[in-house]
Amino acid sequence: EVQLVESGGGLVQPGRSLKLSCAASGFTFSNYYMAWVRQAPKKGLEWVATISTSGSRTYYPDSVKGRFTISRDNAKSSLYLQMNSLKSEDTATYYCARLTTVADYWGQGVMVTVSS
Amino acid sequence: DVVMTQTPVSLSVSLGGQVSISCRSSQSLVHNNGNTYLSWYLQKPGQSPQLLIYKVSNRFSGISDRFSGSGSGTDFTLKISRVEPDDLGVYYCGQGTQYPLTFGSGTKLEIK
Repeated sequence: EVQLVESGGGLVQPGRSLKLSCAASGFTFSNYYMAWVRQAPKKGLEWVATISTSGSRTYYPDSVKGRFTISRDNAKSSLYLQMNSLKSEDTATYYCARLTTVADYWGQGVMVTVSS
Repeated sequence: DVVMTQTPVSLSVSLGGQVSISCRSSQSLVHNNGNTYLSWYLQKPGQSPQLLIYKVSNRFSGISDRFSGSGSGTDFTLKISRVEPDDLGVYYCGQGTQYPLTFGSGTKLEIK
């Protein structure tokens, strides 16, 4: 059974940093692209980052480019999202997702609140 | 960026009925490789999104045949037949043809 479990969320002040983690199990992690998708409270889905199988290629939307960094450790079957210079508009539930031609499995999400 | 426009914003249906949700993209979703990466998700209350349909019309593992997807180019439809109580939630379309990946704003399905 594919499982994705996010952790590391919480309350953080504007301008500070936070690092999210996603522990994967039930599939060969190193064979899949992975992504982070977020959802602001009562809002829709917004893609945040994608990483290739080896980690050599990463993709971001303009809204987080230069502030967020996606990375992975295939030996630990883990995905990460380093978030710097956080803004109030980054407040959201962050989901880790496995990518094939689509985000086929999603974690349960972790809440990040950016507020003073 | 590809803008995904979903209609309606919400709809109400009786149990056993049928509904259709429309999703239109601002650009063609046909990839250079000939595939069309349009998918549909359902987010049930308090849960994370779950994949229903991928590449326009392919049902994901374990998804009931009551769910069907169709369309091409920029115009797509999700149909749900014989609606059940467990179908309530917000439905999203999403495109994976080009970066940035984008989603529709969602359609909330309520049961009468």
